[in-house]
Amino acid sequence: ETGVTQSPTHLIKTRGQQVTLRCSSQSGHNTVSWYQQALGQGPQFIFQYYREEENGRGNFPPRFSGLQFPNYSSELNVNALELDDSALYLCASSLAASSWFFGPGTRLTVL
Amino acid sequence: AQSVTQLDSQVPVFEEAPVELRCNYSSSVSVYLFWYVQYPNQGLQLLLKYLSGSTLVKSINGFEAEFNKSQTSFHLRKPSVHISDTAEYFCAVSHASGGSYIPTFGRGTSLIVHP
Repeated sequence: ETGVTQSPTHLIKTRGQQVTLRCSSQSGHNTVSWYQQALGQGPQFIFQYYREEENGRGNFPPRFSGLQFPNYSSELNVNALELDDSALYLCASSLAASSWFFGPGTRLTVL
Repeated sequence: AQSVTQLDSQVPVFEEAPVELRCNYSSSVSVYLFWYVQYPNQGLQLLLKYLSGSTLVKSINGFEAEFNKSQTSFHLRKPSVHISDTAEYFCAVSHASGGSYIPTFGRGTSLIVHP
């Protein structure tokens, strides 16, 4: 059984560009959440998808959007990148509310 | 809404000494509580969790945490730390029912174990 995987591991973009981050959930997990972790901070919830529908969103602007696919893999898209978007982006998958499994993260640097 | 407070941003300790990392939460409903560990340049790994039942929960590598409902705390302890325990530790809370199951994290505590 494979765990949660994310790609790419590192990414460098410039302000105003768009980025897509990818996550492959743990086998059989139908719920995925995305978090942003700025340097020295705890993870901040961006949004959650359950069976391809967004069913929870944190305090992030609409330029942060996502998708979940039938195989439960997912994407995080960020448009019009800003310097403050530089962070580690974590994906977590779950089958039950009490167990979340995190991927290794994608380190995004915006110049 | 739920929230988590980790009072200590950094805890330095010598190897083989005991350690306690503090965590307090606020919530209007019953909760699940978690401790996650993050090693440098890695994602989060679940260390232990409280869902229900015994208020004392233990991990396989010697950590334990006790759920104290009256003090709304879930402090993490280890009687004797190793160099390899150096990492960032995050406390998290989610609603057990009637609310969001999405974990809310604290700001983290950096445990630094010195030889």
